[in-house]
Amino acid sequence: GAGVSQSPSNKVTEKGKDVELRCDPISGHTALYWYRQSLGQGLEFLIYFQGNSAPDKSGLPSDRFSAERTGGSVSTLTIQRTQQEDSAVYLCASSLVLGQGRYEQYFGPGTRLTVT
Amino acid sequence: SQKIEQNSEALNIQEGKTATLTCNYTNYSPAYLQWYRQDPGRGPVFLLLIRENEKEKRKERLKVTFDTTLKQSLFHITASQPADSATYLCALDGQDKIIFGKGTRLHILP
Repeated sequence: GAGVSQSPSNKVTEKGKDVELRCDPISGHTALYWYRQSLGQGLEFLIYFQGNSAPDKSGLPSDRFSAERTGGSVSTLTIQRTQQEDSAVYLCASSLVLGQGRYEQYFGPGTRLTVT
Repeated sequence: SQKIEQNSEALNIQEGKTATLTCNYTNYSPAYLQWYRQDPGRGPVFLLLIRENEKEKRKERLKVTFDTTLKQSLFHITASQPADSATYLCALDGQDKIIFGKGTRLHILP
């Protein structure tokens, strides 16, 4: 079956522009996660969804970041007024259910965002 | 706050030897611990999960231990091969989300 897909794979944008990143999780996975990975750094947790609900938004770096999920499937991460420090690889993952680390996560290939 | 440390940024191991990677954590008592592999330009791939009441878990050439007293997990790759070269991440459960370490870059030298 299809894995987690993300689009675009690469995005170059000018500082101050808005960008939208998309994630298609594995069909049937109710939990969806967004992470950010900067060069040489670990995975920084941003937000998770259980169904369409995001109970914990505390990981979002600033109010320029927002995310939504519709129909319990596709999710979009939006960054408004991008800054150079937003440059990173944005990874999406899904798991069968939300489960406090007892379920493995399946990651997409990521979107490499470069803000010039 | 919760803190995860992986022993080194990079580790060089001769082909055929056993590679051992360390994951230490503080201010935390996770019920589960996971290990992932990440290749350049790709997302992490799940390898193994171990529960707090399990001391050891094996999968083919991989072995993971979980010592809740030492607050440490060891990840072993036996009979290492150049294809095992990658970054390995440990991850701990944390209230419906998973907290990842920064990873260890493993180089298996032919």
